[in-house]
Amino acid sequence: AQSVAQPEDQVNVAEGNPLTVKCTYSVSGNPYLFWYVQYPNRGLQFLLKYITGDNLVKGSYGFEAEFNKSQTSFHLKKPSALVSDSALYFCAVRVPTFSGGYNKLIFGAGTRLAVHP
Amino acid sequence: GAVVSQHPSRVICKSGTSVKIECRSLDFQATTMFWYRQFPKKSLMLMATSNEGSKATYEQGVEKDKFLINHASLTLSTLTVTSAHPEDSSFYICSASSTGFMAYEQYFGPGTRLTVT
Repeated sequence: AQSVAQPEDQVNVAEGNPLTVKCTYSVSGNPYLFWYVQYPNRGLQFLLKYITGDNLVKGSYGFEAEFNKSQTSFHLKKPSALVSDSALYFCAVRVPTFSGGYNKLIFGAGTRLAVHP
Repeated sequence: GAVVSQHPSRVICKSGTSVKIECRSLDFQATTMFWYRQFPKKSLMLMATSNEGSKATYEQGVEKDKFLINHASLTLSTLTVTSAHPEDSSFYICSASSTGFMAYEQYFGPGTRLTVT
């Protein structure tokens, strides 16, 4: 079965320190991977994606993610965390829909990032 | 670019009534729209996928007659919750996708908070 796992419910980090939010996936074929961020009572905002090419993907707001095929991981990282980065982060993988379409997303459970001053 | 709006942002309705939520792609033609439901502190659950001009494809366990989806144009999809009950209270999020250079991305609306009393 195709799935995404985010093993941490919450990640706590001090402002200025590097942060990592973990994501592993299980998918047949080549994975198309995404990270989204959600602020309270808001929709999801796209951060970055991996389709092909360089394993290190750079995205919005200074975030980046590294695709590791052997470990089936796509961890989200940022060198220096800000208090304003505190939010809910979702990892997602694209899979074909039952109808044969092309871009259904399966989401991980989400990881709450708390950055402390 | 790639802006998706939802209306209303919040709605309160009485048990037994129906409520319609609109999802619009403002600056692109959305060949496919998705409807998600999100419970508090939980991930997004895909309810259905709709392609413009055709019937929606519902995920397993989602009642088609209760959650009516219409995708009549390339910029508008609607979700109607019929005969709403308190257990239908949730945060409903739509997303839109298109062919071409955005083929792998979904752009999300800001969400609609439905409360059924």
